[in-house]
Amino acid sequence: EADIYQTPRYLVIGTGKKITLECSQTMGHDKMYWYQQDPGMELHLIHYSYGVNSTEKGDLSSESTVSRIRTEHFPLTLESARPSHTSQYLCASSGHRAPNTEAFFGQGTRLTVV
Amino acid sequence: RKEVEQDPGPFNVPEGATVAFNCTYSNSASQSFFWYRQDCRKEPKLLMSVYSSGNEDGRFTAQLNRASQYISLLIRDSKLSDSATYLCVVMKTGANNLFFGTGTRLTVIP
Repeated sequence: EADIYQTPRYLVIGTGKKITLECSQTMGHDKMYWYQQDPGMELHLIHYSYGVNSTEKGDLSSESTVSRIRTEHFPLTLESARPSHTSQYLCASSGHRAPNTEAFFGQGTRLTVV
Repeated sequence: RKEVEQDPGPFNVPEGATVAFNCTYSNSASQSFFWYRQDCRKEPKLLMSVYSSGNEDGRFTAQLNRASQYISLLIRDSKLSDSATYLCVVMKTGANNLFFGTGTRLTVIP
C-alpha cells in the first residue's frame, strides 16, 4: 500500500466557503501532484511541485492554490468554493530517480459544492 | 496534439479472451512508461512499468516500441475482475510531471 493520504474523503460544502484539501505522503518523494477528475472522465493536472517551496500550475486552469512548505505535505486551497468546483481531487507523489519514478495516488477527495 | 493518445474503447470482451490496448506518445524524449488501472470511483494504481525489452507479469504483457513511439498492454485469459479503466502514463526526460492518457475502459463479460 502507498503511504499517501488525503483528507477529507468526502466533503459537501456551501458556495463561498473556503476549503483546504489535505495531502500527505511519508515516502520522502520530491514530486507531488494534484489532479481533478470528473466521473468517467480523464485526469487533469491542476498543480504540481518539484520540492519544498516550488509549485507550478498544471494543464487545466484552476482557481485553487497550493503550497509546499514541507516535503511531505501539499495542501490545496479554494478561497471561495463554487458549484463548478464539484469534482474528485486526487493527490499523487513520485520519486526522483529511476526506477522509482512511478506515481502513487491518495484515495481522493470527492468535493460537492452546493 | 496531446502528449499521450490512447485507444478510446470501450472494450467489451468475453471471459477468457485476449485483449490488447495501444498508446502513442508524442515526445521522443519520454523516458518512463507505465500502465495504471483505475476502478470505478477509485484512485489509479500502478499495474506495471514498461521496459524497453518488454515485460510480463502473469497474464499481462507490456511492450515498448521507441522507434514508433507506442506502448501496448496485452491481457490474456481475461477475468471478470479485469474490468476497469486502463491508463497509459508517460514521463518525459527532465520534466517533473507525468502525462496520462484518457484511459481505455474494459468490461469483461461472463
